Amino acid sequence: DAGITQSPRHKVTETGTPVTLRCHQTENHRYMYWYRQDPGHGLRLIHYSYGVKDTDKGEVSDGYSVSRSKTEDFLLTLESATSSQTSVYFCAIKDPSYEQYFGPGTRLTVT
Amino acid sequence: AQSVTQPDIHITVSEGASLELRCNYSYGATPYLFWYVQSPGQGLQLLLKYFSGDTLVQGIKGFEAEFKRSQSSFNLRKPSVHWSDAAEYFCAVVNEGGSEKLVFGKGTKLTVNP
Repeated sequence: DAGITQSPRHKVTETGTPVTLRCHQTENHRYMYWYRQDPGHGLRLIHYSYGVKDTDKGEVSDGYSVSRSKTEDFLLTLESATSSQTSVYFCAIKDPSYEQYFGPGTRLTVT
Repeated sequence: AQSVTQPDIHITVSEGASLELRCNYSYGATPYLFWYVQSPGQGLQLLLKYFSGDTLVQGIKGFEAEFKRSQSSFNLRKPSVHWSDAAEYFCAVVNEGGSEKLVFGKGTKLTVNP
């Protein structure tokens, strides 16, 4: 299995609070991704990174920010969580052959 | 814009029966195509991928898929389904030589009856 972990695995937070999710890889891959998964929507890309300090938006980036200060870590921040951000969040890394490997997911509930 | 359509939201089959999950893509360039499986509460696992060459590709767990350019399809098949195949299946596409982003279909949930 690809070395990719996410923390925390579960989190409950209140509306308006900031939340940071962490993705950590041990594969030294250049590309990292954050997705959210919601019933009926499949996986939707939030943000991705193509190197240290290099990031770009995905299709559902509003309300989210990311940072990548080291190759191995990619952080997703909800500056002020809303109930619509209740979801399961997946991190992924991509190898040079375009194959993506997914982390175990973080279940976030915003009350 | 590129898109992936999985027409069947939910499919139920009996154990031992054959399975075909449909996937259609909308793309102008040569696509790279993937099928992923997600068991309940788990992350996604790659079943198989198509980049070029033989249009029939073999994957893990006895799955195969066939790329048909004329139909813009990449359907997933298994000749005999096992109860452990119950999961959600996602088709995805990326543009060759272009985007570094996968575009996913909305998934097909497979239920297997004993």
